[in-house]
Amino acid sequence: NAGVTQTPKFQVLKTGQSMTLQCAQDMNHEYMSWYRQDPGMGLRLIHYSVGAGITDQGEVPNGYNVSRSTTEDFPLRLLSAAPSQTSVYFCASGPVVRGTGELFFGEGSRLTVL
Amino acid sequence: AQSVTQLGSHVSVSEGALVLLRCNYSSSVPPYLFWYVQYPNQGLQLLLKYTSAATLVKGINGFEAEFKKSETSFHLTKPSAHMSDAAEYFCAVNSPRGGTYKYIFGTGTRLKVLA
Repeated sequence: NAGVTQTPKFQVLKTGQSMTLQCAQDMNHEYMSWYRQDPGMGLRLIHYSVGAGITDQGEVPNGYNVSRSTTEDFPLRLLSAAPSQTSVYFCASGPVVRGTGELFFGEGSRLTVL
Repeated sequence: AQSVTQLGSHVSVSEGALVLLRCNYSSSVPPYLFWYVQYPNQGLQLLLKYTSAATLVKGINGFEAEFKKSETSFHLTKPSAHMSDAAEYFCAVNSPRGGTYKYIFGTGTRLKVLA
């Protein structure tokens, strides 16, 4: 009963380092997305995907890359981390394109950039 | 473009009192609307959703919300607050029927329940 699995849960980076946040879901959802959560700003959409090979930008895409080679996985890449990317990141998936529309969230990944 | 506005970043109610959390939306096509709840150090969980069926939607834990197109609102209510309702609540919108799959959240309302 895994649902949406995010790794790592915690990460500390230095400015300029790169890393990948992993997200996997086992519910065969066509829709996957990444959000960042910052105090007072709610959840802001970074990138989303409506199926394998299809991705699009959200509200705050700069500094982040994504790809979707399989239905199950949707990794988020930070190519050159900046302190402004310190945040809690959530991956979410759901039957959004064809279905009832709700999202299922992972437990979050807390990233600190020094 | 779609958006949601949540009025009041913090709301305090007494235990047993009415809970009212406000959400107004903007969408050029028929929206789907959602309320989610987030407990400390956890991801978000769906409370309820409106997808164009009944305008009064009932969710889990005694919460309900009413879709009012004329007011572009989708306020969340619960008749009697319980201590366990203390959490952060998010309103969200998307419009798949309009071909828009961006799923946009509001800035959240933190609910405090006073004993």
